[in-house]
Amino acid sequence: DGGITQSPKYLFRKEGQNVTLSCEQNLNHDAMYWYRQDPGQGLRLIYYSQIVNDFQKGDIAEGYSVSREKKESFPLTVTSAQKNPTAFYLCASKHDNTGELFFGEGSRLTVL
Amino acid sequence: GQSLEQPSEVTAVEGAIVQINCTYQTSGFYGLSWYQQHDGGAPTFLSYNALDGLEETGRFSSFLSRSDSYGYLLLQELQMKDSASYFCAVRQISGNTPLVFGKGTRLSVIA
Repeated sequence: DGGITQSPKYLFRKEGQNVTLSCEQNLNHDAMYWYRQDPGQGLRLIYYSQIVNDFQKGDIAEGYSVSREKKESFPLTVTSAQKNPTAFYLCASKHDNTGELFFGEGSRLTVL
Repeated sequence: GQSLEQPSEVTAVEGAIVQINCTYQTSGFYGLSWYQQHDGGAPTFLSYNALDGLEETGRFSSFLSRSDSYGYLLLQELQMKDSASYFCAVRQISGNTPLVFGKGTRLSVIA
C-alpha cells in the first residue's frame, strides 16, 4: 500500500541531544512538508521541499534542519538549539495534481 | 499577514447538523481545504473548494464564498465518531507552496 511512514512513533530525548525523525513516502510525490503541532494548536510549518535536493524554511525553522537527498525521504533533525522541542511532529507529502496532503501518523517527541 | 479564523470548540448532539466556519485573510488565494484529525492521529483530507458554492461528499459538505473570504464545513447526521478536530487550510497559489492552516475546531458529539 502507498503511504507515508514516520518513525519513531514515540521518542524521548535528553536536553542537549540532537534527534532525527524519519519520513518516507512511496507515493511518488514531489513535495514534502514537516509540521509541528502543540496541544490544542494548529499545524505550524517547519520546513518544506518542493523537489529533491531542494528545501525551504517554514515559519518556525529555527533549531531544526532537513535534507532531501532522495525523493522518497525527508528526515527532520531536531537540534539542541531548539528551545522547546517537546511536540507532535507530522510529515506530509502533496499529490501533484489534486494538491491533497497525505500525512504520516506522526512522531511524538518528549524532551526530559 | 495571513490568518485563518475558526471557532476553537463546537459541541453538537448525535444525529444533528453542525456548521464549522472559517474566514481567511491571506496574500493569495487558490482554494480552501478541510482536514479531520482524531486525537493522536494524522490529519486526513475531507474536501477542497476552489470555486464558489457547495461541494457535497456524503454526510459532509463544504462551501466557499471567495468574495467574502469565507467557507464552512457542514456535517450532517452527526455520529460519535465525528468527534475530532477540523482544520481549514488555504492553498495560496498553484504549485507546491505550503498550505496555511487554521488552528482547528474541536468538535464534540454528545448523545
